[in-house]
Amino acid sequence: GAVVSQHPSRVICKSGTSVKIECRSLDFQATTMFWYRQFPKKSLMLMATSNEGSKATYEQGVEKDKFLINHASLTLSTLTVTSAHPEDSSFYICSVSGVGNQPQHFGDGTRLSIL
Amino acid sequence: DAKTTQPPSMDCAEGRAANLPCNHSTISGNEYVYWYRQIHSQGPQYIIHGLKNNETNEMASLIITEDRKSSTLILPHATLRDTAVYYCIVRAGGSQGNLIFGKGTKLSVKP
Repeated sequence: GAVVSQHPSRVICKSGTSVKIECRSLDFQATTMFWYRQFPKKSLMLMATSNEGSKATYEQGVEKDKFLINHASLTLSTLTVTSAHPEDSSFYICSVSGVGNQPQHFGDGTRLSIL
Repeated sequence: DAKTTQPPSMDCAEGRAANLPCNHSTISGNEYVYWYRQIHSQGPQYIIHGLKNNETNEMASLIITEDRKSSTLILPHATLRDTAVYYCIVRAGGSQGNLIFGKGTKLSVKP
């Protein structure tokens, strides 16, 4: 069964809207989650590392005020795309860090389309 | 994490074994080899991982060479639903860091 639940799977909204994406760890408590972004025909690119109880760590070039991350519990991290514009349209995917040598598991992704 | 090299694309006939190679010649002693696949418009799906011994699960087999510089993912009886991009990723054991995705191999299973 699914280890990571990501919601919603698809969002279509107007430019200027803020969009929240949820990522839930179903099987275990996750102190670390990751947010990736994927453009068409490209590979996944890490946006930020979400740490439970502390501030997220953003990759170079990712605006932290644009992409707000909250990891308030051990099973939930949220990514909010604030004042979204068409260039923010992309496929956003979260993952949960495995324990020890266990693998990371990914959500099913959120297709965000800004009109 | 060590860099990996994979062919950009491969074809396989339905019902036949699909053998996907991966080169990781700079792998370190504590680094594991992980395989994921991504079917169109879905998140990556974990397939299998190993350190030095060959591994098998319900999805696939992983063959790692004795020098650990390369590995092969084997899908024993490929189906059309196995069409996806397959990623080979090397990462240190116990690492809590993110995975670094390369371009992977686009496997097309044909009827």
